[in-house]
Amino acid sequence: KAGVTQTPRYLIKTRGQQVTLSCSPISGHRSVSWYQQTPGQGLQFLFEYFSETQRNKGNFPGRFSGRQFSNSRSEMNVSTLELGDSALYLCASSVGTGGSAEAFFGQGTRLTVV
Amino acid sequence: AQRVTQPEKLLSVFKGAPVELKCNYSYSGSPELFWYVQYSRQRLQLLLRHISRESIKGFTADLNKGETSFHLKKPFAQEEDSAMYYCARKNNAGNMLTFGGGTRLMVKP
Repeated sequence: KAGVTQTPRYLIKTRGQQVTLSCSPISGHRSVSWYQQTPGQGLQFLFEYFSETQRNKGNFPGRFSGRQFSNSRSEMNVSTLELGDSALYLCASSVGTGGSAEAFFGQGTRLTVV
Repeated sequence: AQRVTQPEKLLSVFKGAPVELKCNYSYSGSPELFWYVQYSRQRLQLLLRHISRESIKGFTADLNKGETSFHLKKPFAQEEDSAMYYCARKNNAGNMLTFGGGTRLMVKP
């Protein structure tokens, strides 16, 4: 079956702009989580959605937001982009939430802010 | 705050040598612990989880609650084991993963 799909794969934006990233989870998976990966900070959790509800939120400013649709697809939005937002953004999906459920990761969206 | 520490950024060994990638976590209840691996140009994927007590690709990891460690071990490293390895823990509710900084394993021929 198809894996987690993230679009677009690459983005270049200017400071102050806003951006929307998309994630399609594996069919049947209801949980979608987002992570930011940078050389300095490593992998950091942004938020998790399960059945269209945000379940957990990481320590990121309010400029970072997300949502999940009824088909489990998820989007994350970053407003008023800053140079420091340049990163690889990873999406992960899981069948359920909690416990030892495996997270399946997408290839990521590489965002560059200039 | 929950923390996961991987003290080595880079570990270089020769093929056939034993490998141990260290992982320590901050104590908090009953953690769910995982090892994820990222091979070159591939996506991050689960290698193993502590609750399964399984061996995957010859790797094992034992949870030591006394030392709050979850080290990853393999008795004989192979060149194809070269990759980035991340230790991660999950909080008790939801799927939030807290990752360590990662260890790059290089297995030399």
